[in-house]
Amino acid sequence: EAAVTQSPRNKVTVTGGNVTLSCRQTNSHNYMYWYRQDTGHGLRLIHYSYGAGNLQIGDVPDGYKATRTTQEDFFLLLELASPSQTSLYFCASSDGGPDTQYFGPGTRLLVL
Amino acid sequence: SQWGEENLQALSIQEGEDVTMNCSYKTYTTVVHWYRQDSGRGPALIILIRSNEREKRSGRLRATLDTSSQSSSLSITAAQCEDTAVYFCATGANTGKLTFGHGTILRVHP
Repeated sequence: EAAVTQSPRNKVTVTGGNVTLSCRQTNSHNYMYWYRQDTGHGLRLIHYSYGAGNLQIGDVPDGYKATRTTQEDFFLLLELASPSQTSLYFCASSDGGPDTQYFGPGTRLLVL
Repeated sequence: SQWGEENLQALSIQEGEDVTMNCSYKTYTTVVHWYRQDSGRGPALIILIRSNEREKRSGRLRATLDTSSQSSSLSITAAQCEDTAVYFCATGANTGKLTFGHGTILRVHP
């Protein structure tokens, strides 16, 4: 079965803080994605990647950086966290195109 | 419906009833995904219908797709308490990404 893991599962930081969210997939998928989920907005795509070293901008990229270091690992960076970035973050992987996306368990981030 | 400016929708039904959730989309798609999200977990695909299909069934689930009206529906027959979850539709073409709707909260009461 597809496996996507995320760490940490919960994170609290202060405004202006530096946060890195990690995602690892063992599905041998080329594509990986970072979403944020907020009540009333569903899932919104922040950044995605189709391979190591590649980065594509999603629909809500402002305030976020991402880096894909290997096929397995995708990181989301918040260099100057703001309260508006308080959210539930999901990572996903897929074979690309309109194929099924497999989601991790999520990271709940609180920015005070 | 899940798209556009609609807020997150909520449906509340009794166990044993049938329920239908609707989704309309704005851009070209080759496939409509329906995902289910249980509390505290990430979304998981439950059924997928392609643009050359009008209907797809999987157990108690039935998905329909009308490309002319750019709409899809997900029906659950004889809903059970364990069907309580948030259901999302998602569309995509060959761009490598999906666009998700706002979701429908379904609560099934015993």
